[in-house]
Amino acid sequence: AQSVSQHNHHVILSEAASLELGCNYSYGGTVNLFWYVQYPGQHLQLLLKYFSGDPLVKGIKGFEAEFIKSKFSFNLRKPSVQWSDTAEYFCAVNAPNNNDMRFGAGTRLTVKP
Amino acid sequence: NAGVTQTPKFRVLKTGQSMTLLCAQDMNHEYMYWYRQDPGMGLRLIHYSVGEGTTAKGEVPDGYNVSRLKKQNFLLGLESAAPSQTSVYFCASSWEGFEQYFGPGTRLTVT
Repeated sequence: AQSVSQHNHHVILSEAASLELGCNYSYGGTVNLFWYVQYPGQHLQLLLKYFSGDPLVKGIKGFEAEFIKSKFSFNLRKPSVQWSDTAEYFCAVNAPNNNDMRFGAGTRLTVKP
Repeated sequence: NAGVTQTPKFRVLKTGQSMTLLCAQDMNHEYMYWYRQDPGMGLRLIHYSVGEGTTAKGEVPDGYNVSRLKKQNFLLGLESAAPSQTSVYFCASSWEGFEQYFGPGTRLTVT
């Protein structure tokens, strides 16, 4: 089964700093890739997704992610973070036609005002 | 359009007690899932269903049972709760296994 690694457990940034959160997966075949965000006390919401096509995908709230197949990576980026981006971020992967979605352990982002 | 709802929001059980968590969705999704979320471990899939009357095991199914008698509902049962089942439980649904829509979660404590 596929697995997902998120390298950073807790990231602390000041407002306006740039963000990059790492995500690597282990699966040899075609994959669907997702980033979800969980704001404090709320449920998970989809930030962005990659199924096929342009490896640079844009999501909501100015987030983007780049799929690099050769590196099995799907890193999340944002040029300038805001205090409201404070949340936990989860990378997830599944194979097409496979309902077993695997999530990473999550990265907690704290943005200082 | 409520999306995905979960009942109850909080519950405290004693070891050995049983309970059922209810998940309901009004998006006519075929696929439904139950996850547990533990600190430092992300979300782990317990069971899932690809349609009414069908269920399948996920990554961590032991100690749980599920039923999908109606398309819109997915029930998660704990027959004999253990402290190791203290967690936050999330239900999700999706159309054809693509992006999943999550419920607000149920915080369960087993003492």
